Amino acid sequence: DAGVIQSPRHEVTEMGQEVTLRCKPISGHNSLFWYRQTMMRGLELLIYFNNNVPIDDSGMPEDRFSAKMPNASFSTLKIQPSEPRDSAVYFCASSLRGTEQFFGPGTRLTVL
Amino acid sequence: DQQVKQNSPSLSVQEGRISILNCDYTNSMFDYFLWYKKYPAEGPTFLISISSIKDKNEDGRFTVFLNKSAKHLSLHIVPSQPGDSAVYFCAAVAGGTSYGKLTFGQGTILTVHP
Repeated sequence: DAGVIQSPRHEVTEMGQEVTLRCKPISGHNSLFWYRQTMMRGLELLIYFNNNVPIDDSGMPEDRFSAKMPNASFSTLKIQPSEPRDSAVYFCASSLRGTEQFFGPGTRLTVL
Repeated sequence: DQQVKQNSPSLSVQEGRISILNCDYTNSMFDYFLWYKKYPAEGPTFLISISSIKDKNEDGRFTVFLNKSAKHLSLHIVPSQPGDSAVYFCAAVAGGTSYGKLTFGQGTILTVHP
């Protein structure tokens, strides 16, 4: 039974480049979450979708970040342009009942 | 503004003993609390939760205690096993189980020595 799938697992890019992170939630789940984990700030919610609609994007750090969920089985988080301070592990999670969220393995992003 | 705090960055325990991980929160609107466990190179996994209408919830070796007046919760693991070594995050939400906006603590690294 496949869990949440994220790609790529690792991404190294140069400052100024566009970065796209991808997520496939667990089939049947109706909520999807994007988190960022850093040493300084811990695990913080960036954006939350319910039934493909963004519900709360108050955690998105700035306009360089955008997220989409075109259908129930796919979501993207895009950073354009990327900066070194965006380096972090980005997690996608999905749930059927909001709070019990199932996390993907994460994408480790390094911006040089 | 850290609304959920785990003040101990790490904890070391001997196998077979009790592990107690602590978490404090400041937002009185939080009404549901969860603990997640995270192994290296993996995403966090749900461990146990508790509603604010309860003060204790038990699941096997894991028990979560909630003290609403002190805005404090703790996770007890008895007996601790080496496989429990991981990072433990507490999380809180306002609005019950139907709302997904979790606020996480910084995490506590638990090491259980054989």
